[in-house]
Amino acid sequence: QKEVEQDPGPLSVPEGAIVSLNCTYSNSAFQYFMWYRQYSRKGPELLMYTYSSGNKEDGRFTAQVDKSSKYISLFIRDSQPSDSATYLCAMKAGNQFYFGTGTSLTVIP
Amino acid sequence: EAGVVQSPRYKIIEKKQPVAFWCNPISGHNTLYWYLQNLGQGPELLIRYENEEAVDDSQLPKDRFSAERLKGVDSTLKIQPAELGDSAVYLCASSLGGSTEAFFGQGTRLTVV
Repeated sequence: QKEVEQDPGPLSVPEGAIVSLNCTYSNSAFQYFMWYRQYSRKGPELLMYTYSSGNKEDGRFTAQVDKSSKYISLFIRDSQPSDSATYLCAMKAGNQFYFGTGTSLTVIP
Repeated sequence: EAGVVQSPRYKIIEKKQPVAFWCNPISGHNTLYWYLQNLGQGPELLIRYENEEAVDDSQLPKDRFSAERLKGVDSTLKIQPAELGDSAVYLCASSLGGSTEAFFGQGTRLTVV
């Protein structure tokens, strides 16, 4: 079993929809939880990070962490075609990062 | 501020040939990572440097892969000889000490034919 599990999708939604992306993990040592966005043929770019259970909002993006369930989510409100990308969850213990496989999202105009 | 710079962006080589990738991290970032990313997968760590010291290279196939980070700044990853299965994207990332985030370069897409 991988330490970080993420549904690879692909996920296709109409423009304006609310998108929910999720990851589960098994390692209780994970302290920080991140979401990266990766456009085709580009490197991953950090979207959001959080280190505690609860919600963190940044514009149309909300990151949610539930440490008791070992479950994290990223919500995208009013999704735009420019949000079409692969979304990677990542978790950190010490100086080591652990990545999910990524979920491919397409927002249809 | 310049981000993580990698070169080349693309490389096509024949199997059994050597290849090298170069990474220039963000200025002042003491931690440098090399990751391998296969299509449809997340990045997988190959090696992590703290300054010039390789502190985690357990996933690096040492029979054919080597890496160095001279003076704790730029880093080079080498494969010799390359195999067909090495075709992938090689990502370099850097972070500042205990900071949360790692910043990635654009990656080098290697195709071995």
